Amino acid sequence: ETGVTQTPRHLVMGMTNKKSLKCEQHLGHNAMYWYKQSAKKPLELMFVYSLEERVENNSVPSRFSPECPNSSHLFLHLHTLQPEDSALYLCASSQDPNSPLHFGNGTRLTVT
Amino acid sequence: GDSVTQMEGPVTLSEEAFLTINCTYTATGYPSLFWYVQYPGEGLQLLLKATKADDKGSNKGFEATYRKETTSFHLEKGSVQVSDSAVYFCALSGNQFYFGTGTSLTVIP
Repeated sequence: ETGVTQTPRHLVMGMTNKKSLKCEQHLGHNAMYWYKQSAKKPLELMFVYSLEERVENNSVPSRFSPECPNSSHLFLHLHTLQPEDSALYLCASSQDPNSPLHFGNGTRLTVT
Repeated sequence: GDSVTQMEGPVTLSEEAFLTINCTYTATGYPSLFWYVQYPGEGLQLLLKATKADDKGSNKGFEATYRKETTSFHLEKGSVQVSDSAVYFCALSGNQFYFGTGTSLTVIP
C-alpha cells in the first residue's frame, strides 16, 4: 500500500457540479498539502495543513475548499469550477514543513 | 523570492548514454535541494536530496552536488536505462517547497 492514497484517480465534472477529492496518508506525518499540476507550469502549492491547522493558502479561488478533519485525511471540495481548473491535483504529506514531501498518485480532473 | 530554474526538455537519449539535467536556484538563506521523479500516471517520488553546500545526493545511479558558488544542483547519471524515462523535477525547500517546471526524459533502446 502506498504511503499517500488519493481517490478518485480520474474525475470528469461539469461546471455546475460539486465533487470532492480525498487524500489519506499512512506515514504518521504532521503536514499535508494540495498541489495543482498543469502542463508546462511549475507545481502550484494550493493549501498546507500542519497539525490539522491551515497554514498556507496561496490565493486560491474560493471554488476550491480544503478540509482536514484529522492528521491522516485531507479533502478538496470543488464547486462551480472552470475549464481552466482541469489539471492533475496532487496530495502530499511530510513530517514537518521542511522535510521531504511524499506524494500520492494524483487525481486527474477534467472540467467540461 | 525563492525559485528554481531547470533546463527545458524534452530530452531523448539512447540507452547507456550520459545524462545531465541542469538546475539552478535562487534563494535567501540556506535551503535544502531535491530531485523528484514522476513516472507516467504517478505522483512525484523523491529521488535524492542535499541539505547543505558541497553535499552530494545519490540514488539509483543518479547524483547531484549542492554547489553554493554557482547556485546549482545538476542531476547526472553515467548510463541511463529505458526504465529511467520519466519527468524530473528540481526543487528547493525554503519557507515552502519550490519546484521547477520539470524535464521530460525519454531513453530509447
